[in-house]
Amino acid sequence: DSGVTQTPKHLITATGQRVTLRCSPRSGDLSVYWYQQSLDQGLQFLIQYYNGEERAKGNILERFSAQQFPDLHSELNLSSLELGDSALYFCASSSGLAGVGETQYFGPGTRLLVL
Amino acid sequence: AQTVTQSQPEMSVQEAETVTLSCTYDTSENNYYLFWYKQPPSRQMILVIRQEAYKQQNATENRFSVNFQKAAKSFSLKISDSQLGDTAMYFCAFMKPRNTGNQFYFGTGTSLTVIP
Repeated sequence: DSGVTQTPKHLITATGQRVTLRCSPRSGDLSVYWYQQSLDQGLQFLIQYYNGEERAKGNILERFSAQQFPDLHSELNLSSLELGDSALYFCASSSGLAGVGETQYFGPGTRLLVL
Repeated sequence: AQTVTQSQPEMSVQEAETVTLSCTYDTSENNYYLFWYKQPPSRQMILVIRQEAYKQQNATENRFSVNFQKAAKSFSLKISDSQLGDTAMYFCAFMKPRNTGNQFYFGTGTSLTVIP
């Protein structure tokens, strides 16, 4: 158990809908990362937050957005869903201590299926 | 931009044998960190091993060890006495420390199958 929690574990929805994925980082971690992994694909970095502020953006679509709240949990919002958005979405957390070596710890992921 | 390359999409090994997964990276940085993550069929991402670039000694974790060649920008993972539970996708990752925020880069993965 990495200490990172993600809810829900599974999500089935229809095209055009909007969903929210939730992530709670490990205790003490300030940084949260979101990744997308499509079937048999590698990890695509979406976005990173540190202590409530957006720090880095990767290949995140405009239909997707995220935020990190004062209690450090993060939410990833996916809207106008398309079939191709079906994937496993990971959240990872790290200490966020910039400039020093740190390790990312991953949550169990949320499996999104868009029908 | 940093790149991480895993040139072996798939590999297989007999149970109890040794296998080496390769990873190369491209960077002009001198201070960085390297990781191997394992993703079994459950698809949970599990940290296997970590290496600091400033350390010459190769990291080891039980049956897992790395061969870190800084000049060659190579970071291979050796799994000894392979077990069926080692069957998984393995991802190599590079981390660049930055005062503005550490940045992580992942390779495309190597699918390892341990054959009984």
